[in-house]
Amino acid sequence: QSALTQPASVSGSPGQSITISCTGTSSDVGGYNYVSWYQQHPGKAPKLVIYDVSKRPSGVSIHFSGSKSGNTASLTISGLQAEDEADYYCCSYAGSSTVVFGGGTKLTVL
Amino acid sequence: EVQLVQSGAEVKEPGESLKISCKGSGYSFRTYWIGWVRQMPGKGLEWMGFIFPGDSATTYSPSFQGQVTISADKSINTAYLQWSSLKASDTAIYYCARVYSGSSFDTFDIWGQGTVVTASS
Repeated sequence: QSALTQPASVSGSPGQSITISCTGTSSDVGGYNYVSWYQQHPGKAPKLVIYDVSKRPSGVSIHFSGSKSGNTASLTISGLQAEDEADYYCCSYAGSSTVVFGGGTKLTVL
Repeated sequence: EVQLVQSGAEVKEPGESLKISCKGSGYSFRTYWIGWVRQMPGKGLEWMGFIFPGDSATTYSPSFQGQVTISADKSINTAYLQWSSLKASDTAIYYCARVYSGSSFDTFDIWGQGTVVTASS
């Protein structure tokens, strides 16, 4: 059960859009429509921002969106704001009541 | 308010035992799965295992099977993570998180504040 692959870092300017990828296999990301994304600010607990590939929990900004194609899921943040600067993690169901996280991506807002 | 409140920071020596806790409130604790997640210093999130407090059914990540024990006491709405013999490499922040009932195991909708565990001689 290997960690999902995410880019170590991405960056963008305020107002721009960025996309973070999360690549797995047919045994996890590609096999189920159960991918979630978490935002983690320094020293804080993670916060759910996307679940079931593209659903937004109540209270999460509409500028967060998710998608999936094959074994790769993606998180897009549009209209970047300074407060979006954080670490982002994907997580996928991997069958048999197990899950796997991605390695994490550090988003820098320039 | 729905929340998970974890026990405080721990400093132990390698070889010692430890049990940390996660108390739920504001919802039916026994009917939601609870997961435990490790975050080593400066590193990413790692899923450790799940427990269903209603019947104490558990699932472990292969990476943590045999290394830790997950348990729960539904009468006091509390889940536990324990070690029989800590290693220096167990130094990390440990989070408990509730699994959202409207989706699958990957969806953690409520998180505890984290427990810092330091194992050092």
